[in-house]
Amino acid sequence: DTAVSQTPKYLVTQMGNDKSIKCEQNLGHDTMYWYKQDSKKFLKIMFSYNNKELIINETVPNRFSPKSPDKAHLNLHINSLELGDSAVYFCASSQDILAANEQFFGPGTRLTVL
Amino acid sequence: QKEVEQDPGPLSVPEGAIVSLNCTYSNSAFQYFMWYRQYSRKGPELLMYTYSSGNKEDGRFTAQVDKSSKYISLFIRDSQPSDSATYLCAMSFTGTASKLTFGTGTRLQVTL
Repeated sequence: DTAVSQTPKYLVTQMGNDKSIKCEQNLGHDTMYWYKQDSKKFLKIMFSYNNKELIINETVPNRFSPKSPDKAHLNLHINSLELGDSAVYFCASSQDILAANEQFFGPGTRLTVL
Repeated sequence: QKEVEQDPGPLSVPEGAIVSLNCTYSNSAFQYFMWYRQYSRKGPELLMYTYSSGNKEDGRFTAQVDKSSKYISLFIRDSQPSDSATYLCAMSFTGTASKLTFGTGTRLQVTL
């Protein structure tokens, strides 16, 4: 069974479109995260949710809006996509906010904006 | 200057060699130090973590933290081709709302 899953795995879209990436974890964890990995492999936190509440919001454009319908799901919606949004987006989870040092990552969603 | 610096490599070693991977950091408030392994086109996988200074061993892997020098290392003994991957160091503070700050990763290639 996949612990942290993401859909879709690949996403190719035109500039200006709106798209969503979904994430689900079946580990029973309370805390979930979104990361962006750029072409140089640099992994940077974007958002973190604990029990459906936003606890970390890094300097991310307002075009990015996370939504957590329940603690097992954290989705990422991106409006008005730009070329610079092309990256691999990873979802992760941890037992709770005190266990941020032990995060489990999903397989990633490779987003290409044309 | 990035908070966490890591040589991107690539680092190429023959099978059986001892590998040393390193990171330096600037924020002395970091308390947890992690090593993640990332295979090509996969998500990062936690190898091990250390709290504060000291050593930790898990099979062929040993993590070392020297807080006085702001320097951490991961040693891989008897390296195998299956160890070929990108190794990311990460660090975090204690307390709530903590986040991981990653290095840029070192690409390791273990050759036959």
